[in-house]
Order: sequence, then structure tokens, then C-alpha cells
Amino acid sequence: GESVGLHLPTLSVQEGDNSIINCAYSNSASDYFIWYKQESGKGPQFIIDIRSNMDKRQGQRVTVLLNKTVKHLSLQIAATQPGDSAVYFCAEAGTYKYIFGTGTRLKVLA
Amino acid sequence: KAGVTQTPRYLIKTRGQQVTLSCSPISGHRSVSWYQQTPGQGLQFLFEYFSETQRNKGNFPGRFSGRQFSNSRSEMNVSTLELGDSALYLCASSSTGGHPPTDTQYFGPGTRLTVL
Repeated sequence: GESVGLHLPTLSVQEGDNSIINCAYSNSASDYFIWYKQESGKGPQFIIDIRSNMDKRQGQRVTVLLNKTVKHLSLQIAATQPGDSAVYFCAEAGTYKYIFGTGTRLKVLA
Repeated sequence: KAGVTQTPRYLIKTRGQQVTLSCSPISGHRSVSWYQQTPGQGLQFLFEYFSETQRNKGNFPGRFSGRQFSNSRSEMNVSTLELGDSALYLCASSSTGGHPPTDTQYFGPGTRLTVL
């Protein structure tokens, strides 16, 4: 399938540090991307989005960077907090659907 | 605005049974998508509906079906349940979806289906 998650990569960061979560997307023609956060037992929650005519977009403590040349997205979380612990997914717009990355588990260490 | 709601939140069925899950999108949203989430396969797209029409379907057997009503509410049905159907089923809504979608998709809390 388009989203295969046999093994979920994990990123462990110290509380207060910055986190960078990366995602590679598949279609160079994709022009809309979303980052989601999913906490245990809950549905994915929208964090931030970006369109292909932008390289960078900032939200509250989060920044998304888009590199269309290498089909790469990253999510930067500033001053990571315990409440940021979750699985993070990137999604790219496909044909009447979104295609999700495998996800990255973020663990915040006290 | 109320978010996407899904009912029931938890469901336990036995093999061979069938199940119907329900989703109410955010008010004003006309596109509804369904996803299956399992630890081994991640988020897998099932189907997308807009104005009661299925516009796209994922790679799932015919046992998985869905529909959308005129008020944009959607249901999905799984017949002849198998153990491997145990998963979190997520519904998401957006304003129009589109080809490709360019509006934000919001998820519900999911229905946790366990097949025994």
C-alpha cells in the first residue's frame, strides 16, 4: 500500500530542545501537504499545512519546510514539551485522497 | 464548530459477522474519507465520498463498502469480518476534497474494531 508502517521510526529529544521530523513524499506534482499529530487512542490532529508555492510556513512553535527539489518535508517543533509526545504523520494530496507517510514517534525525555 | 464525530467508538465482533460504522463530518464539509489504521500497515485509504458519490477507492476487498447521504453523513460497512479487519477506522472530512485536494482534512476520533 501507499502507507507502509512495519517499523515506526522513533525520535527521542530532551524537553526544551528543538525537534525535527522528516518526511519524504512520492509525487513531485503534489501541491498541498499537511502534518498531523496522533496521540495514543485518538484520531490524527491537524498541526500545520503548506502549499507547493511556499518553502516555509510557521505556526505556533512549529515550522514546516518544503524542499520540492528532493521531495522532502520537515516539521520543526521548538522547545519540545512532554505534551508533544505523539506520532507525527505527513500527508500529501493525491487523487481525491491524501497519502500518508509511515509516521515518526516523538518521545520527549524529561 | 463541532468536529468530526464517529460512532460507535468501540466495537467487538466475531468472525463472519458484519459491521456498520458511522461518521458525521464537520458542518458544511461535503467530502468524507475513510481510513484503516493498523500497527503493521499504518494509515490506509479506504474510500472518499463527495455529494453521495464515491470518487476514489483504495485497495481493499469488496467486503468493504461505504455510502454517503444527502446530509454528507457517511457509513462504512464491512461484511464477513476477518481477524485481520481488527483496526482503528478513521473518518476524515474536508470542505470539497478535490482533485487533488487542496483543503484541510480533519479527522474524527475513530472507531476501534476488534474481531474475535
